[in-house]
Amino acid sequence: AQTVTQSQPEMSVQEAETVTLSCTYDTSENNYYLFWYKQPPSRQMILVIRQEAYKQQNATENRFSVNFQKAAKSFSLKISDSQLGDTAMYFCAFMNIMRFGAGTRLTVKP
Amino acid sequence: DGGITQSPKYLFRKEGQNVTLSCEQNLNHDAMYWYRQDPGQGLRLIYYSQIVNDFQKGDIAEGYSVSREKKESFPLTVTSAQKNPTAFYLCASKNTGTNTGELFFGEGSRLTVL
Repeated sequence: AQTVTQSQPEMSVQEAETVTLSCTYDTSENNYYLFWYKQPPSRQMILVIRQEAYKQQNATENRFSVNFQKAAKSFSLKISDSQLGDTAMYFCAFMNIMRFGAGTRLTVKP
Repeated sequence: DGGITQSPKYLFRKEGQNVTLSCEQNLNHDAMYWYRQDPGQGLRLIYYSQIVNDFQKGDIAEGYSVSREKKESFPLTVTSAQKNPTAFYLCASKNTGTNTGELFFGEGSRLTVL
């Protein structure tokens, strides 16, 4: 079975600091897409960053970057210089099967 | 503006009633999806459709039904057979013609059973 696991239900970070959210997945496929979505209190799902498995370079979008370890099937999200607006639920997603992890609730503290 | 519209935003239902949640998209996407979101369980896939007049069960299809008669529309019916229907429901679509795989989401519908 193909699954997506987020082992951190809740995390907190001080404003301006760095935090890393973990995600692991299980698949037998060689090419696939991984995403991180953010869901703020408005509950609108917002795409944060994407990674294509065949690309060895880790994706970066401004303050957001990923550490993609294909052999370990790990896909963590690093948020640098955390801002109060980053407070949200974060979901890791494996897009070939359209499945999401259980989410990590991130709170940025002033 | 292109996007996905879900309605109603809030819906209350008495036990034993069927309700239908609407999902319309004008993004010209082929694939559409329904997810259910409960606290601590993330998004779980209910049904999906890759093309008009075809759909497949997801992980938690029991008690739900869908139709895909038009490309733009993918309504979800929550039937009385669904034992615990109170949840937040998200509809999404995807352009299968690209390689990005990104899902575009509606704003969701909150269903409460009284």
